[in-house]
Amino acid sequence: DTEVTQTPKHLVMGMTNKKSLKCEQHMGHRAMYWYKQKAKKPPELMFVYSYEKLSINESVPSRFSPECPNSSLLNLHLHALQPEDSALYLCASSPGTQLAYNEQFFGPGTRLTVL
Amino acid sequence: KNEVEQSPQNLTAQEGEFITINCSYSVGISALHWLQQHPGGGIVSLFMLSSGKKKHGRLIATINIQEKHSSLHITASHPRDSAVYICAVAGLETSGSRLTFGEGTQLTVNP
Repeated sequence: DTEVTQTPKHLVMGMTNKKSLKCEQHMGHRAMYWYKQKAKKPPELMFVYSYEKLSINESVPSRFSPECPNSSLLNLHLHALQPEDSALYLCASSPGTQLAYNEQFFGPGTRLTVL
Repeated sequence: KNEVEQSPQNLTAQEGEFITINCSYSVGISALHWLQQHPGGGIVSLFMLSSGKKKHGRLIATINIQEKHSSLHITASHPRDSAVYICAVAGLETSGSRLTFGEGTQLTVNP
């Protein structure tokens, strides 16, 4: 299994809703990432997990809450989002954390719309 | 000025043409990644390189560390190559877990 899966593919939520995005990989990768991508822009790093521990939080608002329950699974919990949070949310994984030596494998993304 | 600059921003080619996309960066790096993003969102890693040249099928990537410049070449281009190509660099920071992305090059290959 050489892919990163993300569910759901599409999500529409209101500003008062609580929802979660899920990402899974079974390649034994030890680093997992959440990115946010707006239209026609490159991905922006949100969080990095290394060996199931949060190693980087790029000053992301607390309405986004990441969780790594085990080495294969990464969640992003969403609460009280704003319309400007509408974007494509991409998950990625890599064998190790040093991107000088490790390629990233990306999931297909979850397209989130906040009404 | 962005740390990673790509050119051109948009490129239209006819099927069969040789294509070059350029990436210049202004910081010290440990590696450079070329990524491909198709409409719909999925990103695929094409190359990771820190020196020299790599080839995979019709794709060739080169890097000149002294000149802080990399190129992605596509030979015998095909409409299925239409995508956004993104250059990203891994800096020299301790964690090494961040990539700095260029703005991307939108490539359209017409039949």
